[in-house]
Amino acid sequence: GAGVSQSPRYKVTKRGQDVALRCDPISGHVSLYWYRQALGQGPEFLTYFNYEAQQDKSGLPNDRFSAERPEGSISTLTIQRTEQRDSAMYRCASSRGAGGPQETQYFGPGTRLLVL
Amino acid sequence: AQSVAQPEDQVNVAEGNPLTVKCTYSVSGNPYLFWYVQYPNRGLQFLLKYITGDNLVKGSYGFEAEFNKSQTSFHLKKPSALVSDSALYFCAVRDKEGSGTYKYIFGTGTRLKVLA
Repeated sequence: GAGVSQSPRYKVTKRGQDVALRCDPISGHVSLYWYRQALGQGPEFLTYFNYEAQQDKSGLPNDRFSAERPEGSISTLTIQRTEQRDSAMYRCASSRGAGGPQETQYFGPGTRLLVL
Repeated sequence: AQSVAQPEDQVNVAEGNPLTVKCTYSVSGNPYLFWYVQYPNRGLQFLLKYITGDNLVKGSYGFEAEFNKSQTSFHLKKPSALVSDSALYFCAVRDKEGSGTYKYIFGTGTRLKVLA
């Protein structure tokens, strides 16, 4: 399809394990964003890539969280030593241009992470 | 700091009646406002946006939104609700305060229930 895809759609893991969440943006989209959405809340910004460069990681909650986009397309969000408080929906979005305020971000279906 | 408020957790409306989902915002500069809809097990879908120009913005699925600068509001409207419009609706403002990235700041969402 032509939309943003994310995998896995659901991930159950045990506390202390590492997880890797994948995002495949719309083809040709320059900008890629990661958000985290807790139950009953709106998505909250985690990090932003322009091509392969991570321009902003101010929303990453701590150093257990990291992200990469090595070839400027697919991105991986990695959470090390997961904790129960990391349980949430993780959403990826992409936009065509370089992240201007008028640009629309297109979201993937999300990965629901449950840490036991 | 820029923010968005959605004062109603849930809105119920009868099918065929007009619907309004409320959103107010607080920004320090020009407002860039967006509405998204979230269906179960699907990603956030873009509905419409206000960047500049006409205060009445038309979007997907027959939705429209009215930008009111004096009331700092951006309410979502539809003249005649359908049962299939039942979903979770998010208002968002673009913000780059601090980090320089135009990320979304989302409201907490309003669940719309259209009754047959």
